[in-house]
Amino acid sequence: IQMTQSPSTLSASVGDRVTITCRASQSISSWLAWYQQKAGRAPNLLIFKASTLQSGVPSRFSGSGSGTEFSLTISSLQPDDFATYYCQQYNSYPWTFGQGTKVEI
Amino acid sequence: QITLKESGPTLVKPTQALTLTCRFSGFSLDTTGVGVAWIRQPPGKALELVALIYWNDDKRYSPSLGSRVTITKDTSKDQVVLSMTNMDPEDTATYYCAHINAVAAYFDSWGQGTLVTVSS
Repeated sequence: IQMTQSPSTLSASVGDRVTITCRASQSISSWLAWYQQKAGRAPNLLIFKASTLQSGVPSRFSGSGSGTEFSLTISSLQPDDFATYYCQQYNSYPWTFGQGTKVEI
Repeated sequence: QITLKESGPTLVKPTQALTLTCRFSGFSLDTTGVGVAWIRQPPGKALELVALIYWNDDKRYSPSLGSRVTITKDTSKDQVVLSMTNMDPEDTATYYCAHINAVAAYFDSWGQGTLVTVSS
C-alpha cells in the first residue's frame, strides 16, 4: 500500500493552524499512525488508529479520516513542533510510511 | 518504561554482511501480541520497515529486501538480531529498532538508532 503525504514541505508561523494530508492507495480502514521526527532523533508516536492521541502528546495535535484520506492537524503551532511528520499504515503487510512532511518556519 | 538500544558496526564494506542487535527493557517478547521491528532511514529520506518479529516467532520482511534479511529473537537475553547479507551502498541508513504495541500494530517506542555506512 502506497502512502502519499502532502505537502512535502510546509512553511508556517508560531500560532498557525496546520494540516497535513496522507492518502493511501487503497482502503486501510482506520489503521493509521502519525509520527513526529526532529532532526537527528528517532520518530515519536503522536496518534494511532487515525485519531487516538498517544499518552503525553499535547492536545493541539489531532488526527482524522478513514479509508484512504487522513489528516493531521496542529491547532496552534508551537516552536517545538517544527519537525518532519510521517504517516504509517498498519492495515496490511508490508506496513508502509509516507514520504514525510517537513514543517518549517 | 520501555527502552531499546541498537548496536553494531558503523561501517561495512560492499558485499559484506551486517549484524545489528537490539537490546530492550521494560517489556518481554514472551508477552502475547508484543513485537519488535527494525526500521531504517537513509540520510535525508523516509522511513522503511525492514523486518519485524512477534512474541510467537511470526516474522515479516520487506519484499524489496527479500532473502537478504533475517530477524531472530533471544527472549532470555531480551534482544532481537537483524542480519543482512550482501550489503550495498544503498543500504546506508540509520537503523532503528522499535516496540510494536501488543494491542495494535504501531511503533510506540523507538531506539535512538544507529547509522550504518556501506563503503569501501
